[in-house]
Amino acid sequence: NAGVTQTPKFQVLKTGQSMTLQCAQDMNHEYMSWYRQDPGMGLRLIHYSVGAGITDQGEVPNGYNVSRSTTEDFPLRLLSAAPSQTSVYFCASSYIRGNSPLHFGNGTRLTVT
Amino acid sequence: DAKTTQPNSMESNEEEPVHLPCNHSTISGTDYIHWYRQLPSQGPEYVIHGLTSNVNNRMASLAIAEDRKSSTLILHRATLRDAAVYYCILRDGTGGGSNYKLTFGKGTLLTVNP
Repeated sequence: NAGVTQTPKFQVLKTGQSMTLQCAQDMNHEYMSWYRQDPGMGLRLIHYSVGAGITDQGEVPNGYNVSRSTTEDFPLRLLSAAPSQTSVYFCASSYIRGNSPLHFGNGTRLTVT
Repeated sequence: DAKTTQPNSMESNEEEPVHLPCNHSTISGTDYIHWYRQLPSQGPEYVIHGLTSNVNNRMASLAIAEDRKSSTLILHRATLRDAAVYYCILRDGTGGGSNYKLTFGKGTLLTVNP
């Protein structure tokens, strides 16, 4: 049982490049979400999904796309990276019940130059 | 707008108890209170959650006020490994948007002195 796996751990992009941050979970969780964390800040929700084919926006969705074709995977796409997207990105998953704990990945540290 | 309010920072000595407060004055009857912590350079990890009654697990205890407008995470004997940012969040037990748009504030930075 690997939990929530994020790849890559580190990434450097140039402005305007695109990339996909991968997130996979093996716990059959319906709910998956992406957060970004800037220095000294809390976690801000980017997008979330409550099942395959269902996604919705969080607090800071601009510049990011998501899709959920399987229960296990929830990739985050940056179509045209900007320096403002330099951050640490965390993926989380859980069952959709309110008493279900969130399980977080170890994060992807992204730098956009 | 923030659903929970926590102090920015707290300090404790090793092997002493730590009480981390959280205010959630607008909590609804179906909101679960969850606590997470984030060690340096790691993702957040689940600590404990509760609805109305106090809860204990191997990591900590959760004391919930009778009116549920506040709660306290209790670390019975702090260790250096407990130095982290602690987050208190609410999660709606009935499902729907408020269950999914989970808001993490800045949390409380706990410093543990040897």
